[in-house]
Amino acid sequence: QSALTQPASVSGSRGQSITISCIGSSSDVGVHKYVSWYQQHPGKAPKLMIYEVTNRPSGVSNRFSGSNYGNTASLTISGLLPEDEADYYCSSYTSTNTWVFGGGTKLTVL
Amino acid sequence: QITLRESGPTLVKPTQTLTLTCTLSGFPVSSSGVGVGWIRQPPGKALEWLALIYWDDDERYSPSLKSRLTITKDTSKNRVVLTMTNMDPVDTATYFCARSQDVSGYFLPYFDSWGQGTLVTVSS
Repeated sequence: QSALTQPASVSGSRGQSITISCIGSSSDVGVHKYVSWYQQHPGKAPKLMIYEVTNRPSGVSNRFSGSNYGNTASLTISGLLPEDEADYYCSSYTSTNTWVFGGGTKLTVL
Repeated sequence: QITLRESGPTLVKPTQTLTLTCTLSGFPVSSSGVGVGWIRQPPGKALEWLALIYWDDDERYSPSLKSRLTITKDTSKNRVVLTMTNMDPVDTATYFCARSQDVSGYFLPYFDSWGQGTLVTVSS
């Protein structure tokens, strides 16, 4: 299985919105609703931000939202805040009952 | 409070076998719907899923590493152990364990709780 494809970096100004894409295949993103997104600050463990494409765990800001279309999932962060600056990873459950992560996207808040 | 804590050697030599332990607190590894997985991250690089074991002993492995990995659970000590054989310098990474938990029979293949990770360096 190949890693999901994410842009290496994105940036946005405080208060703006950004979207991070996650391109998979018909064996993962395109076949399941089981896409998730994780936020990771430097030196910290990843934190689940979105699951099942669009759902937020309790405690996650509603500024974070997810969507997908075909083999591509997306994470949108609205009203950017300085604390949103982090690495973001998408992940998908696959048709062979395993997991795959994306290459990660570094978000810079200007 | 749910916690996971990784432990194991910080340095291993090439060709050696790595054994990592994930000690769980706040939930039993034998509870229905629980899965505990291992994910690694080389310095400055992306996350890579390695393996997962479910409460019913169902084991899953990364296809690219399957031949080198074994995941087991110890219900009496509430922990999960990962072994990786034939270690190589490219296996240098922070290794995380994380929990997946179905809710009321609803399948939720996501990692909602993570350990802090343990850095393993492979060098002679």
